[in-house]
Amino acid sequence: SQQGEEDPQALSIQEGENATMNCSYKTSINNLQWYRQNSGRGLVHLILIRSNEREKHSGRLRVTLDTSKKSSSLLITASRAADTASYFCATDGGAQKLVFGQGTRLTINP
Amino acid sequence: ETGVTQTPRHLVMGMTNKKSLKCEQHLGHNAMYWYKQSAKKPLELMFVYNFKEQTENNSVPSRFSPECPNSSHLFLHLHTLQPEDSALYLCASSPETALDGNTIYFGEGSWLTVV
Repeated sequence: SQQGEEDPQALSIQEGENATMNCSYKTSINNLQWYRQNSGRGLVHLILIRSNEREKHSGRLRVTLDTSKKSSSLLITASRAADTASYFCATDGGAQKLVFGQGTRLTINP
Repeated sequence: ETGVTQTPRHLVMGMTNKKSLKCEQHLGHNAMYWYKQSAKKPLELMFVYNFKEQTENNSVPSRFSPECPNSSHLFLHLHTLQPEDSALYLCASSPETALDGNTIYFGEGSWLTVV
């Protein structure tokens, strides 16, 4: 069954603006990961946040995790056209496998 | 280049055909996966292999038959598929199936069209 659900399903912003995507999940987790997928390609790992962490940064990416609300957010600052892609959160749900959400389709307009 | 190579990248097959998708990872990982990605659906985990042994079959129809001859290679044998099986099939690998801190590395996928 689906564990993570991203919100919004689609997001379109101007280049240079910040993009925020949210992920909600249902069961307790050990960690949550964010992946990116360019159209028709494989997924690429972006960042992992553990259940005992609240915030993590990697370059222009900032991820937060609120285990009490079972939610996470991915912030991309100073967006670029090359950031256009689909973004997925994935959780282990306490089990030995990753379950992905449906993704947020991000479009950066030049 | 993620270290996970899938062939073919595109495949068109009839419903009576038998074909196979191949995946090879050069990362020294012990776990390999098949995922299915259809339009407007979440990524679906199909099979998990750990040290060549299947540890997960996510209620996949028998017309999909996986094979893992060693930790570096994974196949998905296809026969008597249906048009609704048309999708992007993604292979992936990770150091172990225990996911505490493990990243999954995906191949570029094989686009399958069943006609």
